[in-house]
Amino acid sequence: ETGVTQSPTHLIKTRGQQVTLRCSSQSGHNTVSWYQQALGQGPQFIFQYYREEENGRGNFPPRFSGLQFPNYSSELNVNALELDDSALYLCASSRGLAGNNEQFFGPGTRLTVL
Amino acid sequence: GDSVTQMEGPVTLSEEACLTINCTYTATGYPSLFWYVQYPGEGLQLLLKATKADDKGSNKGFEATYRKETTSFHLEKGSVQVSDSAVYFCALSDLKGAQKLVFGQGTRLTINP
Repeated sequence: ETGVTQSPTHLIKTRGQQVTLRCSSQSGHNTVSWYQQALGQGPQFIFQYYREEENGRGNFPPRFSGLQFPNYSSELNVNALELDDSALYLCASSRGLAGNNEQFFGPGTRLTVL
Repeated sequence: GDSVTQMEGPVTLSEEACLTINCTYTATGYPSLFWYVQYPGEGLQLLLKATKADDKGSNKGFEATYRKETTSFHLEKGSVQVSDSAVYFCALSDLKGAQKLVFGQGTRLTINP
């Protein structure tokens, strides 16, 4: 069983640019959540997709957007990058929506904004 | 809103020492509680969970008990190993709407041989 994969591993962008991060969910999982983890902090919830629809959003501005595809893989897009967007971006997949279900995390994409 | 507060780190212990990492939470309703571990260069892995009051989660010698009366979920291990060196995150999952996890700030644990 393939786990959650994310690409790219590392990315360097400059302020004002746009970035797309990708996530492949674990086989059989139809829910993908994205988190931002700043250095030395716990992950912060960005948004969640369930069966291709957004199913909840954290306290992030609209320039953070996403998609989920029919195969349940997902993209996170960030427009007009700011220095504070530098962080590790984590994707997690799970089966269904119950809060007790384990979320399986990918290794993350390290984004640096200069 | 919901929140999780963890013991400040870093924590440094000798091998075979006892470990406790404190975690308290604030939530409406009855969240599920989790401990995740992040080894160097790796993603988060679920260590253990508890879904209702007085439940005890356990895995790899680690334990934590869901204490509703004190809103706590402290992580304990009787004898730590060098391989336990990692960052530990306490988290809760609200059962309303999105299945989002709310994390504490993490506690870095280093075990010396």
